[in-house]
Amino acid sequence: QKEVEQNSGPLSVPEGAIASLNCTYSDRGSQSFFWYRQYSGKSPELIMSIYSNGDKEDGRFTAQLNKASQYVSLLIRDSQPSDSATYLCAVNIYGQNFVFGPGTRLSVLP
Amino acid sequence: DAGITQSPRYKITETGRQVTLMCHQTWSHSYMFWYRQDLGHGLRLIYYSAAADITDKGEVPDGYVVSRSKTENFPLTLESATRSQTSVYFCASSETGGGIYEQYFGPGTRLTVT
Repeated sequence: QKEVEQNSGPLSVPEGAIASLNCTYSDRGSQSFFWYRQYSGKSPELIMSIYSNGDKEDGRFTAQLNKASQYVSLLIRDSQPSDSATYLCAVNIYGQNFVFGPGTRLSVLP
Repeated sequence: DAGITQSPRYKITETGRQVTLMCHQTWSHSYMFWYRQDLGHGLRLIYYSAAADITDKGEVPDGYVVSRSKTENFPLTLESATRSQTSVYFCASSETGGGIYEQYFGPGTRLTVT
């Protein structure tokens, strides 16, 4: 069973702080990793993709990948109340098949 | 630029009825997917399609049928709906190029089976 694990949260951070979201996966052969944001009642929205070890930055978001530790994280700098959502980690196992984690609910407090 | 659309957005049906959920994308993406999302289970893949007339099962295909006669459409049919199929259904699409596998989701269909 290919697994992707995340803390369900809720993770609460004050406005302006850094939110750190973590994800671990079981399949060492995984090649591609994605972070989706999902607001309540809405569909998942792709915010970051990362394919190689290291950091990838896009605005306030930084994705970090460590394949040796089978770990991928998402940092949100200067968190805003509008960042409050559930964040889904997705791992590409093979071809186009994704496995999604259960999601971490983030709450940014004004 | 509609992207990916789903219809209906909400559907209530009775146990045993046949239901078809529609998905349409305007990007000409090769791949299309159907997921269901339930509390406690997250997003689970039902079926996917690599191209017109090519489909394959995902993690939870039982009770569902798909077809893809045109690249832009990927309908999902529940042949005889059951209460356990009450869920939110998301369609997604992606294009492969240079090893990029990013999937983009439609707005979802909330299905209730009574």
